[in-house]
Amino acid sequence: SQTIHQWPATLVQPVGSPLSLECTVEGTSNPNLYWYRQAAGRGLQLLFYSVGIGQISSEVPQNLSASRPQDRQFILSSKKLLLSDSGFYLCAWTPSGKKNIQYFGAGTRLSVL
Amino acid sequence: AQKITQTQPGMFVQEKEAVTLDCTYDTSDPSYGLFWYKQPSSGEMIFLIYQGSYDQQNATEGRYSLNFQKARKSANLVISASQLGDSAMYFCAMREVNTGGFKTIFGAGTRLFVKA
Repeated sequence: SQTIHQWPATLVQPVGSPLSLECTVEGTSNPNLYWYRQAAGRGLQLLFYSVGIGQISSEVPQNLSASRPQDRQFILSSKKLLLSDSGFYLCAWTPSGKKNIQYFGAGTRLSVL
Repeated sequence: AQKITQTQPGMFVQEKEAVTLDCTYDTSDPSYGLFWYKQPSSGEMIFLIYQGSYDQQNATEGRYSLNFQKARKSANLVISASQLGDSAMYFCAMREVNTGGFKTIFGAGTRLFVKA
């Protein structure tokens, strides 16, 4: 069966520090991968999505970047965190070619202080 | 541009009663999919139900059903026989097939409170 792993679950970082959040999917190949951010009490905002290794589409210009070094690995990074980067980050995946489902990781709660 | 609107920030329902959560959408793409997700306090997003724009029948999954009214561009979620465990945030989402690529956009959500 397919599973998605996202870590860490909680992260507290000082302003100006770097960030690396990792997401991996098991039990499938060539998934579409996504990073979302959810501000407190708000809906999800799509940040990045990827349809293949090295292919990244950015939806919102910001302080963040994403990379897909392997087929089932998706990484969200920042060189210098801002206070406004605080939020709940969710990784998600969709089976290649399927449009009617999207599975989410457990999320990372990031606090930038 | 695609848009999802959930006009109910919060809803209360008595245990064992049915509740309808509203969702309207806007798209010019004739081919699209509509989703509902549940987000409990733990934060995980749980997929509930999916409706394709060309599906002839309203989608149902156990106690969840989607009241799809294409002409009105609405996709309301109906939860029958509410349970205390249904208390959570609920998000409506849409994916345009032809023009939206692989992107899914989400509404602002509705917080459901189930009363004992």
